[in-house]
Amino acid sequence: LAKTTQPISMDSYEGQEVNITCSHNNIATNDYITWYQQFPSQGPRFIIQGYKTKVTNEVASLFIPADRKSSTLSLPRVSLSDTAVYYCLVGDGGSQGNLIFGKGTKLSVKP
Amino acid sequence: EPEVTQTPSHQVTQMGQEVILRCVPISNHLYFYWYRQILGQKVEFLVSFYNNEISEKSEIFDDQFSVERPDGSNFTLKIRSTKLEDSAMYFCASSDSFQETQYFGPGTRLLVL
Repeated sequence: LAKTTQPISMDSYEGQEVNITCSHNNIATNDYITWYQQFPSQGPRFIIQGYKTKVTNEVASLFIPADRKSSTLSLPRVSLSDTAVYYCLVGDGGSQGNLIFGKGTKLSVKP
Repeated sequence: EPEVTQTPSHQVTQMGQEVILRCVPISNHLYFYWYRQILGQKVEFLVSFYNNEISEKSEIFDDQFSVERPDGSNFTLKIRSTKLEDSAMYFCASSDSFQETQYFGPGTRLLVL
């Protein structure tokens, strides 16, 4: 499974757009990029998944450049409730499906 | 929206005691997982389960751990003789397939005294 690198923490203010970038230099051809969100004392929650270019859903957008060595999670107009840890995961699930979580990015949204 | 549920939400036990953590995965899912998260640390994979058998397990999942799907809805994690270092949040997850999104439960906070 490809290793990922993302900032340990980020600060933002309500109403701002937040972009969290994840590096995955060793991403394999079959790997997808998946982002999870985790609030304190809760289980991780799926946000978005993509393979290349851009994916958008009702919560976020995911930008993936052509070389796929990085990806950027974009959260539009964050609110206080978006304060959480965001994890970037890379893999194809393979034959086992176990998710390898890094330390994630702790996003703090301030009023 | 269907969701994974876990019971109990909190469990306190004495070192050396057995605990069973229970999960009800999303009903049409076939793949089940247990993860744990020690306070302030990363979410760690423990075990995956499909077709009534373990598909993969991590180094953490030693002989003290076991999993079972006793009926069509429950998925359990048993720790035979708990240790202090087993204190953590334990999350159950399920998915349609290994390549699909995993949906996590709210977790069970286990405290071993």
